[in-house]
Amino acid sequence: SQELEQSPQSLIVQEGKNLTINCTSSKTLYGLYWYKQKYGEGLIFLMMLQKGGEEKSHEKITAKLDEKKQQSSLHITASQPSHAGIYLCGADNQGAQKLVFGQGTRLTINP
Amino acid sequence: NAGVTQTPKFQVLKTGQSMTLQCAQDMNHNSMYWYRQDPGMGLRLIYYSASEGTTDKGEVPNGYNVSRLNKREFSLRLESAAPSQTSVYFCASNEPGRSGNTIYFGEGSWLTVV
Repeated sequence: SQELEQSPQSLIVQEGKNLTINCTSSKTLYGLYWYKQKYGEGLIFLMMLQKGGEEKSHEKITAKLDEKKQQSSLHITASQPSHAGIYLCGADNQGAQKLVFGQGTRLTINP
Repeated sequence: NAGVTQTPKFQVLKTGQSMTLQCAQDMNHNSMYWYRQDPGMGLRLIYYSASEGTTDKGEVPNGYNVSRLNKREFSLRLESAAPSQTSVYFCASNEPGRSGNTIYFGEGSWLTVV
């Protein structure tokens, strides 16, 4: 089965700094999703990537899917306290309609 | 727009008790999912249903049963709750194959088994 590894598992950055979270798959990714979860709340959809080399941005968050479609990165520019939370990547398990997720990255922003 | 609605939001059970988590979506999606989320473990798939009338096991199905009552509803049942089932449960739905489709999640159900 497809496994998704996120790194780092935990990240503490100073407000205003840039940061990157990675999501690596053991198999080709068919649809890669990024979600954000505030502590104790539900999941908020950020972006979905499907094509190799694809890049999408929303406000100060940019997500990329590499050409081989086995790694995705989420980059936050000039981080703010509102960016704090748990970031999860998820992927369609080879089109088998089983959506699997990484273990999450806990992001803390220090003022 | 309700999206995915799951109930209850909070529940405390005693070991051995049974309960059902309810989930309904109003987006006419074929696929529905139940996940559990434990600290440091991300989301783990319990069961999923690719369409009305079908269900399949995910990564961690033991101790759970599901019912896809109709296209809208997908329930998760704990027949004999155990402390190891203390977790946050999320229901989700989507329409695989649709270009740019998004997975929609419910707000979560916090379950504590004592």
